[in-house]
Amino acid sequence: QVQLQESGPGLVKPSETLSLTCTVSGYSISSGYYWGWIRQPPGKGLEWIGTVYHDGTTYRNPSLKSRVTISVDTSKNQFSLKVTSVTAADTAVYYCARGAGGSGFSPGYWGQGTLVTVSP
Amino acid sequence: QSALTQPASVSGSPGQSITISCTGTSSDVGAYNYVSWYQQHPAKAPKLMIYDVSNRPSGVSNRFSGSKSGNTASLTISGLQAEDEADYYCGSYTTSITYVFGTGTKVTVL
Repeated sequence: QVQLQESGPGLVKPSETLSLTCTVSGYSISSGYYWGWIRQPPGKGLEWIGTVYHDGTTYRNPSLKSRVTISVDTSKNQFSLKVTSVTAADTAVYYCARGAGGSGFSPGYWGQGTLVTVSP
Repeated sequence: QSALTQPASVSGSPGQSITISCTGTSSDVGAYNYVSWYQQHPAKAPKLMIYDVSNRPSGVSNRFSGSKSGNTASLTISGLQAEDEADYYCGSYTTSITYVFGTGTKVTVL
């Protein structure tokens, strides 16, 4: 059974860079699938941030594209998210997920999520 | 890209059936049969309930079913149970090779 676990700082200062890592167990990222990041501001809905294929090809939400970097490290079986120039609007629970379905983009297996707060 | 449109809330009594709609455009919901549905209980991660319009992952109750017509997808929960009370989100792959979620629907079991 594949499992995903997000890790990273829970507090980030405005204008700085948010960095999160998703560690995958029970499945080798290099074997395939798409791997994604989703976030959910407190009390609000889900927002797709972006997706990375096991070969490193990335796809990003147009509204966040200029600030988002997603990368994969198959040697560590991890993939990562960086969001630059953060503001309070980036405060959210951040989830990582493995894709499912015919497109590969539908989040199938989800991590438990990690709350990141942007505050001075 | 704009979020897919869902009703803010839907309610039903135990044993009844309810349907949640998810309206998009010809660039997302209407473009492919790649619509999914997610269930989220408070303070929990979302759970995939339906993928590719009407397919259920292993372990998901057959009380949950999905369909699509044109730019609108639907999730039907039959034999409503107290444990079905949660937030539900649809999601769709798009022609821009991105993904978009719906606005979310709160299901209340009366």
